[in-house]
Amino acid sequence: AQSVTQLDSHVSVSEGTPVLLRCNYSSSYSPSLFWYVQHPNKGLQLLLKYTSAATLVKGINGFEAEFKKSETSFHLTKPSAHMSDAAEYFCVVSGSNDYKLSFGAGTTVTVRA
Amino acid sequence: NAGVTQTPKFQVLKTGQSMTLQCAQDMNHEYMSWYRQDPGMGLRLIHYSVGAGITDQGEVPNGYNVSRSTTEDFPLRLLSAAPSQTSVYFCASKRGDRGRNTEAFFGQGTRLTVV
Repeated sequence: AQSVTQLDSHVSVSEGTPVLLRCNYSSSYSPSLFWYVQHPNKGLQLLLKYTSAATLVKGINGFEAEFKKSETSFHLTKPSAHMSDAAEYFCVVSGSNDYKLSFGAGTTVTVRA
Repeated sequence: NAGVTQTPKFQVLKTGQSMTLQCAQDMNHEYMSWYRQDPGMGLRLIHYSVGAGITDQGEVPNGYNVSRSTTEDFPLRLLSAAPSQTSVYFCASKRGDRGRNTEAFFGQGTRLTVV
């Protein structure tokens, strides 16, 4: 079985400051991990994925995430927030059955001018 | 290359009515799934398919039926709509080559309201 916990339901940052979205996972197997972004009234877009090749994963739009097995975490960061980053973000895990994805509850990011 | 296409985008149903949400993908993906999105709950898996002719239940299957007669299409049927089925529905597809790092591709969603 697998599960995901996103530790913050809402994060508010000022434009130009760092963003940190926290995600902890539970999986019986070596997991596949993803971050998706959903802009208002849109579908889900892949930001980045953990491929086990490197623990620090770079994604689109300046986002990156670090896989820490000892902490079972996969936190998402961006050094400088932009107004266009305002959206909902989902941490997702798949385990041995890679057709089944488990989603976190989501983190809504608000960016203040 | 359209990716994953869902229709309709919006729908209002009366309690007890039935309807089918359509989903089609043009990427020749083996895996297809339906999720529902409710505030504060992320996305929950309704039904999934690992190939044509093969379907199975996810976390929240009650009140929904699926079939998969072709690789491209995976319709979701609501048998007798209830207000609890008011939600946003997403269809997703995924390559099924046992490469466990392949990502899922999502449609734009169907916003369903049951009154």
